[in-house]
Amino acid sequence: DQQVKQNSPSLSVQEGRISILNCDYTNSMFDYFLWYKKYPAEGPTFLISISSIKDKNEDGRFTVFLNKSAKHLSLHIVPSQPGDSAVYFCAASNQGGSEKLVFGKGTKLTVNP
Amino acid sequence: NAGVMQNPRHLVRRRGQEARLRCSPMKGHSHVYWYRQLPEEGLKFMVYLQKENIIDESGMPKERFSAEFPKEGPSILRIQQVVRGDSAAYFCASSPPQANTEAFFGQGTRLTVV
Repeated sequence: DQQVKQNSPSLSVQEGRISILNCDYTNSMFDYFLWYKKYPAEGPTFLISISSIKDKNEDGRFTVFLNKSAKHLSLHIVPSQPGDSAVYFCAASNQGGSEKLVFGKGTKLTVNP
Repeated sequence: NAGVMQNPRHLVRRRGQEARLRCSPMKGHSHVYWYRQLPEEGLKFMVYLQKENIIDESGMPKERFSAEFPKEGPSILRIQQVVRGDSAAYFCASSPPQANTEAFFGQGTRLTVV
């Protein structure tokens, strides 16, 4: 039973354009959502988070949108840069913080120069 | 301020041996989590610890796996009598005690059982 789903295994965009990564969840008890970026042979790096009381959070080039009624969140990266090429993981928690995160399987983003 | 430190980065064990994975959390972080990532999969929660306490071990296999976070020293994930299916990347993360804070991950230990 996969509670956090990232249905696109891969995404390819041109440098300078917008990258949109999607994530769906099934557990309505989730109240905190995070995006992590991961390079091969390294640990996940935190990017941005959002609490369930908000519907948008922005940090520089990264914006996360949360649609609770649809149980859907998305990460927008604009403008995309070649250094953004990595695997992006969506994660969720039902404990208000980072305890017991449930991860999606990831989306591999490739930004072409 | 050093990040989450894990060692070793790579560990090779023969079937039946024991594997010990170490994790030192970031300074000021009292919460430690262990996750496992199998190939082509996302990270799966294993255990959540605070100093000298296991808070949630619902993701840990019931046999052969144990974890501790002593008062002094790093957190240890111990796998006894390893089997080939234990081959994976094991990630440790830490966070401060406040709510709505992100967890920071170490670089992981890649365990290979031969």
